[in-house]
Amino acid sequence: KAGVTQTPRYLIKTRGQQVTLSCSPISGHRSVSWYQQTPGQGLQFLFEYFSETQRNKGNFPGRFSGRQFSNSRSEMNVSTLELGDSALYLCASSTSGGMDTQYFGPGTRLTVL
Amino acid sequence: AQSVTQPDIHITVSEGASLELRCNYSYGATPYLFWYVQSPGQGLQLLLKYFSGDTLVQGIKGFEAEFKRSQSSFNLRKPSVHWSDAAEYFCAVAQGASKIIFGSGTRLSIRP
Repeated sequence: KAGVTQTPRYLIKTRGQQVTLSCSPISGHRSVSWYQQTPGQGLQFLFEYFSETQRNKGNFPGRFSGRQFSNSRSEMNVSTLELGDSALYLCASSTSGGMDTQYFGPGTRLTVL
Repeated sequence: AQSVTQPDIHITVSEGASLELRCNYSYGATPYLFWYVQSPGQGLQLLLKYFSGDTLVQGIKGFEAEFKRSQSSFNLRKPSVHWSDAAEYFCAVAQGASKIIFGSGTRLSIRP
């Protein structure tokens, strides 16, 4: 079974631009969660989607948004990029969320210049 | 609020030596606890998890962890480390549906 895939793996953007990251979960998984990893703040939960609905949200500004499609693929969008948005963005999938084991993708490395 | 503390930022052990990585959690009810490992440039891989039952949990790659409610701890152990174990290790607690709170991580280096 294929693992979680994230595209692109690397991105370079400039301040003020917007970016969209994509995550394809493991086949059969309906829950997708997103995390931001930075050296200063560590791993922080962004949001979780299940069956196209956002079920849980972390403490991030409204510039961070996401969605999930009917095939469970998910995208996250960051608008008006700031230097501090430079991070590794990880997505994780699980069968139905809750306390199910989450399987992580390799991440997208976003650099904001 | 739930939180996880990993007091050791960086640990170096000799290959073949035993390992213990510390983790303390703060959680009101019975916690769902995890240990993940992250190799450079990689995502996170689940080593083991504790939901309930036996407090000694066996994981992959020869790792185990022991849940001690009285000490609010969930330390990770391995009897003999290999050079390939060099990585960053994260302890985590589940908070509600699909939200995981991670510790700050412990970087493990292996001395040849």
